[in-house]
Amino acid sequence: EIVMTQSPATLSVSPGERATLSCRASQSISSNLAWYQQKPGQAPRLLIYGASTRAAGIPARFSGSGSGTEFTLAINSLQSEDFAVYYCQQYYNWPRIFGPGTKVDIK
Amino acid sequence: EVQLVESGGGLVQPGGSLRLSCAASGFTFSNYGMNWVRQAPGTGLEWVSHITSSSSAIYYADSVKGRFTISRDDAKNSLYLQMNSLRDEDTAVYYCVTPLIDYSVHWGQGTLATVSS
Repeated sequence: EIVMTQSPATLSVSPGERATLSCRASQSISSNLAWYQQKPGQAPRLLIYGASTRAAGIPARFSGSGSGTEFTLAINSLQSEDFAVYYCQQYYNWPRIFGPGTKVDIK
Repeated sequence: EVQLVESGGGLVQPGGSLRLSCAASGFTFSNYGMNWVRQAPGTGLEWVSHITSSSSAIYYADSVKGRFTISRDDAKNSLYLQMNSLRDEDTAVYYCVTPLIDYSVHWGQGTLATVSS
């Protein structure tokens, strides 16, 4: 089973700043990685798939990069609505493991 | 517009059973595999199970294998999760989730299953 880790657990950022979140897989997953955003009381929302492709309706300030075992989600010029928890998920094989999440909060 | 509506959650004692349902609309349900994902209170996301289109293959997380059964009824555009031998740690919001459709993944609003004596 692939193990997914995310760092940091919590990231404190000021509005307008850039946030960089990391996700690591315990073995190569090629580019089979998705990023989700979840706000309190809501279902998760897909941001990125294929490691770097933005999902429908996702603003350009969200970008994903990486392949193999190391991945990054960058959020440029953080808006108030971006403060949330972010999860990565591998879909290279079964089971489809999620990372533990990174909480982005207001500095 | 893709819509997923889960139902069937509730309070059950340890060792009991629940059957969750997900009614799908807005896409050709029979063409797609479907997933259940859960989230225990205050914790992260856990993928639970997947069923392919035509039910040709099924996958489970180790934590539910042998206790949960995923199924689908394409005539009713519905997905199911039969949960038996429930444990306290199965308490969670259960989401019905599509694969990538029209460049996005769609989630229902979730249904809460609480296992407690």
